[in-house]
Amino acid sequence: AQSVTQLDSHVSVSEGTPVLLRCNYSSSYSPSLFWYVQHPNKGLQLLLKYTSAATLVKGINGFEAEFKKSETSFHLTKPSAHMSDAAEYFCVVSEGGSNYKLTFGKGTLLTVNP
Amino acid sequence: NAGVTQTPKFQVLKTGQSMTLQCAQDMNHEYMSWYRQDPGMGLRLIHYSVGAGITDQGEVPNGYNVSRSTTEDFPLRLLSAAPSQTSVYFCASRQRPSSAYNEQFFGPGTRLTVL
Repeated sequence: AQSVTQLDSHVSVSEGTPVLLRCNYSSSYSPSLFWYVQHPNKGLQLLLKYTSAATLVKGINGFEAEFKKSETSFHLTKPSAHMSDAAEYFCVVSEGGSNYKLTFGKGTLLTVNP
Repeated sequence: NAGVTQTPKFQVLKTGQSMTLQCAQDMNHEYMSWYRQDPGMGLRLIHYSVGAGITDQGEVPNGYNVSRSTTEDFPLRLLSAAPSQTSVYFCASRQRPSSAYNEQFFGPGTRLTVL
């Protein structure tokens, strides 16, 4: 069975400082991993996805994530936070193949302070 | 393309009432699904469909029904609303049900309150 754990429910950073949102996963098979962002009162938008082609994945708005199989982690980072990055972020895992269900983490709320 | 659309955006029901949340997509996607989002719980899968005429239960199906008569539409029915069904509901679609790599597109959500 697949599962995902987002290690922080709330992260607060200052504008211009780095962002780190942590995600660990559990999967019986080679997983597919995603990060989604949800701005207040909006739907979910895909930030980036891991497809096994490269362990370092670049997404939109300067975000990137590194797949580390030995640590079962897929942490999301950004070198410099912007006020517009304030949102909730979800780490998502899918085992792929015939298992097409996505399992969502509980979310990390990112606050960016001026 | 409009993508995934949902109606209504907001709804207030009384306990015991029934209603249907509408979802449509214009991308010819085979896979469609419904999630509910509750504070601190992430998104939980209610029902999903891998094509017209084929539906199955997700993680939290009780109290909800679905049908898929066309590729485009995937309505979610609340048979007898309960306060525990107060939530934000998201519809999503994906090109292929068997591939995990395809991006899943989400609708804007329906905020439902059951009194």
